[in-house]
Amino acid sequence: KAGVTQTPRYLIKTRGQQVTLSCSPISGHRSVSWYQQTPGQGLQFLFEYFSETQRNKGNFPGRFSGRQFSNSRSEMNVSTLELGDSALYLCASSRGQGLNEQYFGPGTRLTVT
Amino acid sequence: SQQGEEDPQALSIQEGENATMNCSYKTSINNLQWYRQNSGRGLVHLILIRSNEREKHSGRLRVTLDTSKKSSSLLITASRAADTASYFCATVVYNQGGKLIFGQGTELSVKP
Repeated sequence: KAGVTQTPRYLIKTRGQQVTLSCSPISGHRSVSWYQQTPGQGLQFLFEYFSETQRNKGNFPGRFSGRQFSNSRSEMNVSTLELGDSALYLCASSRGQGLNEQYFGPGTRLTVT
Repeated sequence: SQQGEEDPQALSIQEGENATMNCSYKTSINNLQWYRQNSGRGLVHLILIRSNEREKHSGRLRVTLDTSKKSSSLLITASRAADTASYFCATVVYNQGGKLIFGQGTELSVKP
């Protein structure tokens, strides 16, 4: 089985721009979660989706949004980028409704200049 | 704020030695999981222990959970250089779906 894939792997954007990151879960997994990892704040939960519905949202501003499609693929969008949004963005998928182990993708490294 | 606190923040040992990492958390949990991360890459799931379990083994890994003290420990026996990585505990809080709340991690260095 193919693992979780994330595109793009690396991205450089300028302050004020917006960005869309994509995640394809493991086949058959219906739950997708997103996390932000920075040296200062560590790993922080962004959102969780199951069957196209957002089930959980972390403490991030409204500039961070996401969605899930009927094939379980997910995207997250960050608008009006700030320097502090520079981070590794990780997507994870799991069977069921996410109470089990999560399988992480390699991440998208976003740099905001 | 982070649910989990990990101790130590960094650990350096020789190959063949055992490595123990500790994790504490704040609220009631559904389960606690341990993950490994190599050099800023994706996380790899190691082991999951449910709130009604006290100990679990997987190969060279042993995890304990003490819900009365809200703490867990991960023991890696007979460490290898390939075990060098950051290790994170993550809790699934009761009644909050599949949201993982991570600790700050322990950076393990195993010297050959």
